[in-house]
Amino acid sequence: AQSVAQPEDQVNVAEGNPLTVKCTYSVSGNPYLFWYVQYPNRGLQFLLKYITGDNLVKGSYGFEAEFNKSQTSFHLKKPSALVSDSALYFCAVRPYSGNTPLVFGKGTRLSVIA
Amino acid sequence: GAVVSQHPSRVICKSGTSVKIECRSLDFQATTMFWYRQFPKQSLMLMATSNEGSKATYEQGVEKDKFLINHASLTLSTLTVTSAHPEDSSFYICSTLRGPDYEQYFGPGTRLTVT
Repeated sequence: AQSVAQPEDQVNVAEGNPLTVKCTYSVSGNPYLFWYVQYPNRGLQFLLKYITGDNLVKGSYGFEAEFNKSQTSFHLKKPSALVSDSALYFCAVRPYSGNTPLVFGKGTRLSVIA
Repeated sequence: GAVVSQHPSRVICKSGTSVKIECRSLDFQATTMFWYRQFPKQSLMLMATSNEGSKATYEQGVEKDKFLINHASLTLSTLTVTSAHPEDSSFYICSTLRGPDYEQYFGPGTRLTVT
């Protein structure tokens, strides 16, 4: 069965500092990996995805993520955090392309402090 | 622009009543839609997969008679919470797939409060 682990419930970072939100996955076959962000009382917004190709994926709002197959990780990163980045971040995986729903991690709350 | 819409965004109902939540795909046809439930400060839990023209597939532990799903057209799926109880209070989010990579798009969510 596929699963996603986000080991940190909360990440605090000072504005302007780099941020990392961790994600590891378990899936049979090639993973399709995603990051979403959720603001209070809102739906999920797509940030980026890894399907194939370059391990470093660039997404919306200056975020990027690096796919590491040997470590089965897909950590989300940003070089310089903004206060407006404060939100709930979800990592998700789909085991294969097709009509199947994403499996989500439990989420990590990011707080960027001015 | 938005790909998936949900209505209502927020609803308050009394115990024992039923509430219908609509999920629409905008400008494209969605043969499959997914319904998720999210508890406060928790992740999304897949409730069911809605398939146009056929019965929905429910995840283990989800009561199909309580959470009625109808996908009568290629752009509309509805979730009806029947005989609602306070423990049904939650944030409900629908989602659909689009494009060659089956990218998943989410509705803005519906906050249900049962008093």
